[in-house]
Amino acid sequence: DAEITQSPRHKITETGRQVTLACHQTWNHNNMFWYRQDLGHGLRLIHYSYGVQDTNKGEVSDGYSVSRSNTEDLPLTLESAASSQTSVYFCASSDRGPGGDTQYFGPGTRLTVL
Amino acid sequence: AQSVTQPDIHITVSEGASLELRCNYSYGATPYLFWYVQSPGQGLQLLLKYFSGDTLVQGIKGFEAEFKRSQSSFNLRKPSVHWSDAAEYFCAVDPNYGGATNKLIFGTGTLLAVQP
Repeated sequence: DAEITQSPRHKITETGRQVTLACHQTWNHNNMFWYRQDLGHGLRLIHYSYGVQDTNKGEVSDGYSVSRSNTEDLPLTLESAASSQTSVYFCASSDRGPGGDTQYFGPGTRLTVL
Repeated sequence: AQSVTQPDIHITVSEGASLELRCNYSYGATPYLFWYVQSPGQGLQLLLKYFSGDTLVQGIKGFEAEFKRSQSSFNLRKPSVHWSDAAEYFCAVDPNYGGATNKLIFGTGTLLAVQP
């Protein structure tokens, strides 16, 4: 069965370190998204991609970067982790098409920055 | 400002009672609308979605939602709640400006507790 996976599921790091969160989908979807979830804010879009070599900034992109070298993967990098980036991170994917397609979510990565 | 509003942060209902979760949005006239559910420690799962046509849409797990353009609302309903429905529920909108953006704007969520 097709799926979307995230790794690691839990990560503790220190302020100033570079961290990369992995997202891998086997749906063969064109669109991929990264969100962060914080109490009182719901899910906020960090970065998104509509296809290979395409990346775009979302609502809360400062301090984060992504790259899309193939269809399956969209890793999220925190260049220099800050305590404000402690959060739960969700990756999602969807296919391109009319009508606003369904996004399929991964299980999430809980990141703690000390 | 454009937004998706879920006015109820927490709701508690008794098992077997009916449920209505509210969602209002301030985007254009024909947004695409979604409800997702998140169980503790899990990712989000789609319950239902509205693109066009019949304004009453049926979803999984016995949920339904009604799109009311005049009220800019997309409320989620269930006639009889089960204990397993305890979760957090998110309304989401694709503004659909000149076509689907495939990007979603989420409300802040409603946490549902179910009393036995």
